[in-house]
Amino acid sequence: EDKVVQSPLSLVVHEGDTVTLNCSYEVTNFRSLLWYKQEKKAPTFLFMLTSSGIEKKSGRLSSILDKKELFSILNITATQTGDSAVYLCAVEALVEYGGSQGNLIFGKGTKLSVKP
Amino acid sequence: DVKVTQSSRYLVKRTGEKVFLECVQDMDHENMFWYRQDPGLGLRLIYFSYDVKMKEKGDIPEGYSVSREKKERFSLILESASTNQTSMYLCASTPGLAGGQTDTQYFGPGTRLTVL
Repeated sequence: EDKVVQSPLSLVVHEGDTVTLNCSYEVTNFRSLLWYKQEKKAPTFLFMLTSSGIEKKSGRLSSILDKKELFSILNITATQTGDSAVYLCAVEALVEYGGSQGNLIFGKGTKLSVKP
Repeated sequence: DVKVTQSSRYLVKRTGEKVFLECVQDMDHENMFWYRQDPGLGLRLIYFSYDVKMKEKGDIPEGYSVSREKKERFSLILESASTNQTSMYLCASTPGLAGGQTDTQYFGPGTRLTVL
């Protein structure tokens, strides 16, 4: 059965700290791995990773994928209180149904709290 | 363990048909959400509900309606399906306060809808 596991489930840090969030997966026919930030109503898309070893960066956030070891990490440097959120990892698995399509499998998320 | 189930994994409908997507959660969660996921667009919120018979529009409610007659069940309705509604539909629930802010969202497996 396909699954996505995130760790830790929750994390409390102070402003200025660097955090690393983990996402491991067991998925048949891997297509891509996505990171989202969940604050209010809907998750905000952060990164999509398809290739191993290529770091994606956006400001203080960065992420990398290891397709051999089947995991990804999301790094946040110099954390701010506005980074407090639930961070979701999702893996898209390619399935064949009348043409190639993808299914999304979500992890349970990591709840990050950044204290002033 | 929280379980969110969706009535169909794959659905093929014709333009103009009325489509019902059902979502059921078994953990007495207050809040339920419907999203659609499209490549390159991330998750977009269609509707959410924070109580029985309560509903609020998300970011892209046009062409959709919802129904929450029982706490555990949240239905998404496409009154007259169109080809641009071909997408992956994801249901989620959360036990949190009204609005579900920063609570971990538990996602269903998704329904891949194709409208011909």
